[in-house]
Amino acid sequence: AQTVTQSQPEMSVQEAETVTLSCTYDTSESDYYLFWYKQPPSRQMILVIRQEAYKQQNATENRFSVNFQKAAKSFSLKISDSQLGDAAMYFCAYRSGRVYSGGSNYKLTFGKGTLLTVNP
Amino acid sequence: NAGVMQNPRHLVRRRGQEARLRCSPMKGHSHVYWYRQLPEEGLKFMVYLQKENIIDESGMPKERFSAEFPKEGPSILRIQQVVRGDSAAYFCASSPPSSMATEAFFGQGTRLTVV
Repeated sequence: AQTVTQSQPEMSVQEAETVTLSCTYDTSESDYYLFWYKQPPSRQMILVIRQEAYKQQNATENRFSVNFQKAAKSFSLKISDSQLGDAAMYFCAYRSGRVYSGGSNYKLTFGKGTLLTVNP
Repeated sequence: NAGVMQNPRHLVRRRGQEARLRCSPMKGHSHVYWYRQLPEEGLKFMVYLQKENIIDESGMPKERFSAEFPKEGPSILRIQQVVRGDSAAYFCASSPPSSMATEAFFGQGTRLTVV
């Protein structure tokens, strides 16, 4: 079974600074996807960024980027120019590349989360 | 295009009562996933349904919990004889019927409190 570990229960960053959130995972599969989700106090789960395991290039979405180290099974999230609105719980998640019969597979395994505080 | 709709947002039940949580997927989505988030925890997969079919229920507790996604209407997660340990936020996500789907969309969750 796959596991996802987030070793930092809480992190804080000054506004406009950069912060990196850590995530490691364990799997025997070669085809999979990794995600970072943001959960603000409203509880809405918001997809921040996605990485396909077969892609060597690290994914980037505006101020958010990842450092994907496949051999080390590490998938960290870097937030640049932090803003007050970035304050939230961040979850790392794993999805197998295996597809169920009938198509689709969005069964996610989540880490326990990192609570990010942004200080003005 | 409305997002994934869950209702109610908040549900209070006394121990022993039944809880029914509803999830209407996004238009065009026929795949629904239910997750549970206990306090201070990440989301944990419970069940994956397609219309009229349970595809994967490996995360469902063996007793008291059931889920359905009928041909018409929302998906329902049903918890019978609730206990205090069932208190949690329950999330539903939906995706289109494609192996190439790159994202599932989450609802805002139902917070169940058992008193």
